[in-house]
Amino acid sequence: QKEVEQNSGPLSVPEGAIASLNCTYSDRGSQSFFWYRQYSGKSPELIMSIYSNGDKEDGRFTAQLNKASQYVSLLIRDSQPSDSATYLCAAVGPGTYKYIFGTGTRLKVLA
Amino acid sequence: KAGVTQTPRYLIKTRGQQVTLSCSPISGHRSVSWYQQTPGQGLQFLFEYFSETQRNKGNFPGRFSGRQFSNSRSEMNVSTLELGDSALYLCASSLAGWQETQYFGPGTRLLVL
Repeated sequence: QKEVEQNSGPLSVPEGAIASLNCTYSDRGSQSFFWYRQYSGKSPELIMSIYSNGDKEDGRFTAQLNKASQYVSLLIRDSQPSDSATYLCAAVGPGTYKYIFGTGTRLKVLA
Repeated sequence: KAGVTQTPRYLIKTRGQQVTLSCSPISGHRSVSWYQQTPGQGLQFLFEYFSETQRNKGNFPGRFSGRQFSNSRSEMNVSTLELGDSALYLCASSLAGWQETQYFGPGTRLLVL
């Protein structure tokens, strides 16, 4: 069973701090990775996608991918209370058209 | 551009009944995926359709089925409902499938009594 694993949390960080969310995946053939944010009672919305090893930055968000170690991370700088949500990591294998999601990490940003 | 729409938004059924959920993808998107989300299991992949063909299927019983129409709209059907089918059912669309961003609809919340 191909899996994506995340710590369920909650991860609590103070406002203004850096939140670090991690995800590991078991299918070494996975090539595409996505971070989604899901507020309670809402559907997931895309934050970032990453396909190559290294860092990808978008505003306060940085995604990091290390295919050798099979992990993906998401850093949120200057965390705000509005960032409090569940963050879902997803991996897609080559040609499978099947997105495997982790169970999500709940982030709480404390004002 | 309008987002992914799902109907109905809420549904209450009893055990043994069947249900059909509908999803309209973003205009121009030809791939539609369906997911079941429950507190304990997270987002579980049900199936993915592209150009009216099912390209991949998750590990769900045959009671769960789907189809896609020529206009890319998709439906999923659950027959002989069980209490454990209570969940949020999400559909997501993308242009053509893998390696692409999926955009989620608001979901249909199904409660089976």
